[in-house]
Amino acid sequence: NAGVTQTPKFRVLKTGQSMTLLCAQDMNHEYMYWYRQDPGMGLRLIHYSVGEGTTAKGEVPDGYNVSRLKKQNFLLGLESAAPSQTSVYFCASKLGGPNTEAFFGQGTRLTVV
Amino acid sequence: KNEVEQSPQNLTAQEGEFITINCSYSVGISALHWLQQHPGGGIVSLFMLSSGKKKHGRLIATINIQEKHSSLHITASHPRDSAVYICAGPGGSQGNLIFGKGTKLSVKP
Repeated sequence: NAGVTQTPKFRVLKTGQSMTLLCAQDMNHEYMYWYRQDPGMGLRLIHYSVGEGTTAKGEVPDGYNVSRLKKQNFLLGLESAAPSQTSVYFCASKLGGPNTEAFFGQGTRLTVV
Repeated sequence: KNEVEQSPQNLTAQEGEFITINCSYSVGISALHWLQQHPGGGIVSLFMLSSGKKKHGRLIATINIQEKHSSLHITASHPRDSAVYICAGPGGSQGNLIFGKGTKLSVKP
């Protein structure tokens, strides 16, 4: 049972390049989330999905897009990367709403130069 | 909007010491999460609790819903406990979490 798997684990981008981060979970969870983690700050919500085919904006959505075409996958896209998007990105999934346990991926360390 | 505050931000201990990390939050919640993150690593859920106390090995988490306060205790600390410990509360009906900034624990042998 792999849990939550993120790919890639590391990436360096040049300003203006695009990329897609993949999050895959094998627990049949409905809810999936993308967070970013920056020094001195708590994790912040970028986008989330409460089911296949649905997505919504979180606290810091600008510069990112997401898709949830399949229940097990949640993709985070950067169309034109900026240095401000240098961060560690975490995907998480949950079976349901507020009072359910969250499962996290290993993180993707992204550097935009 | 819920806000989550942790203290201390940094903590250095000698192996074997009893450790306490505190978490307070600003609005009423029904459950609080404690998470662990090793250097360069992923995030692992340690506890989710809504009342009283939970214990797993040398880790104990307590919560007082009325006082909006939770604590994470580590008994007989060990260098392998060195990590960032994060508390998080629910952010809303969509199930996202609101995170504290974390407590960086370093246990010296």
